[in-house]
Amino acid sequence: EAGVTQFPSHSVIEKGQTVTLRCDPISGHDNLYWYRRVMGKEIKFLLHFVKESKQDESGMPNNRFLAERTGGTYSTLKVQPAELEDSGVYFCASSQGLVYEQYFGPGTRLTVT
Amino acid sequence: GQQVMQIPQYQHVQEGEDFTTYCNSSTTLSNIQWYKQRPGGHPVFLIQLVKSGEVKKQKRLTFQFGEAKKNSSLHITATQTTDVGTYFCAGRAGTYKYIFGTGTRLKVLA
Repeated sequence: EAGVTQFPSHSVIEKGQTVTLRCDPISGHDNLYWYRRVMGKEIKFLLHFVKESKQDESGMPNNRFLAERTGGTYSTLKVQPAELEDSGVYFCASSQGLVYEQYFGPGTRLTVT
Repeated sequence: GQQVMQIPQYQHVQEGEDFTTYCNSSTTLSNIQWYKQRPGGHPVFLIQLVKSGEVKKQKRLTFQFGEAKKNSSLHITATQTTDVGTYFCAGRAGTYKYIFGTGTRLKVLA
């Protein structure tokens, strides 16, 4: 069974540019999470989807971040316009349900210069 | 808002020594999960605790959930170099989201 995949693995963009990150969860996993880890600090929750619905987006930093999960399959996280403080590793995770283990993808390392 | 603190932040041990990381939540948790992240890798699920006072063991790893469901610990007996990494707890307080602890970075010296 394929795991959670994320694309791209690395992205280097300039401040003010736009970047879209993609996450493909494990097939059949309705729950999808986005997290961010900045410079070895804690893994910070961004938002949670159940199928195509956003259940909790309280961790989204501001309106420069937009997450979608059309059709309840893959998800995208767009940052527009990117700022320096957006740099970090963005992880996506999926699970069968709220109290099931989360399977993390390899992450996208975003560097904003 | 809900906060989850972990101590210590770093721990260096000699191979064969024991290691413990503690996780404390500001609110009562519905359940808590533990993850390990190797350097350059992604978090990998270790275990989930749900019941008050629950204790689970996985080989050399022992996980505990406090009676009040506000704290948890992970204890590794006789560390090995393969135990190197950052250990995170992640607690859910009756909401949809998991709040990750600050992590404990373990270094094992051979």
